[in-house]
Amino acid sequence: AQSVTQLDSQVPVFEEAPVELRCNYSSSVSVYLFWYVQYPNQGLQLLLKYLSGSTLVKGINGFEAEFNKSQTSFHLRKPSVHISDTAEYFCAVSGGTSYDKVIFGPGTSLSVIP
Amino acid sequence: EPEVTQTPSHQVTQMGQEVILRCVPISNHLYFYWYRQILGQKVEFLVSFYNNEISEKSEIFDDQFSVERPDGSNFTLKIRSTKLEDSAMYFCASSEQIVPGNTIYFGEGSWLTVV
Repeated sequence: AQSVTQLDSQVPVFEEAPVELRCNYSSSVSVYLFWYVQYPNQGLQLLLKYLSGSTLVKGINGFEAEFNKSQTSFHLRKPSVHISDTAEYFCAVSGGTSYDKVIFGPGTSLSVIP
Repeated sequence: EPEVTQTPSHQVTQMGQEVILRCVPISNHLYFYWYRQILGQKVEFLVSFYNNEISEKSEIFDDQFSVERPDGSNFTLKIRSTKLEDSAMYFCASSEQIVPGNTIYFGEGSWLTVV
């Protein structure tokens, strides 16, 4: 079965500082990887996804993520965060045994400190 | 931009009562899902639905749960006899097609509190 690990449950960071949210996955087959964001009291919004090709994926709001097959990672980065980036971030996987659905990681709560 | 809409946004119900959560998926989408998120926990898959039948369901989706597409636009989740542990945010989602890596679009969720 596929699974997703997000090692950091909470990440506080000062405004305008860079941030990296870590994601590792396990799967015996090729997968497709996603990052979703959940702003307070809102639903889940797709930030970016990796399907194939270039391992560096750019998403909305200045976020990017890099797929690393050897390390089974898909870390999310932003060079300079804003207060408005305060949210819950979920890494997710689909494909292989979860062909038509996404499996979510436990989430990382990003708090941007002014 | 088209979006998935859910009603109600918040519902409080007594234990043992039946609850129906409603969703309007994006209009040209053919695949529908329900997920739930218990407070402080991760988002969990409940069920997927295509062509008027369940295509996959998780262990969580037991006989207490059912889904229905009663007309051409709505997609509902029914919980027959709610339990305290059913308190969670329930997300409806839809996608245009099932292909690897296809984007699933989520609604804003229905927060269910069972007392």
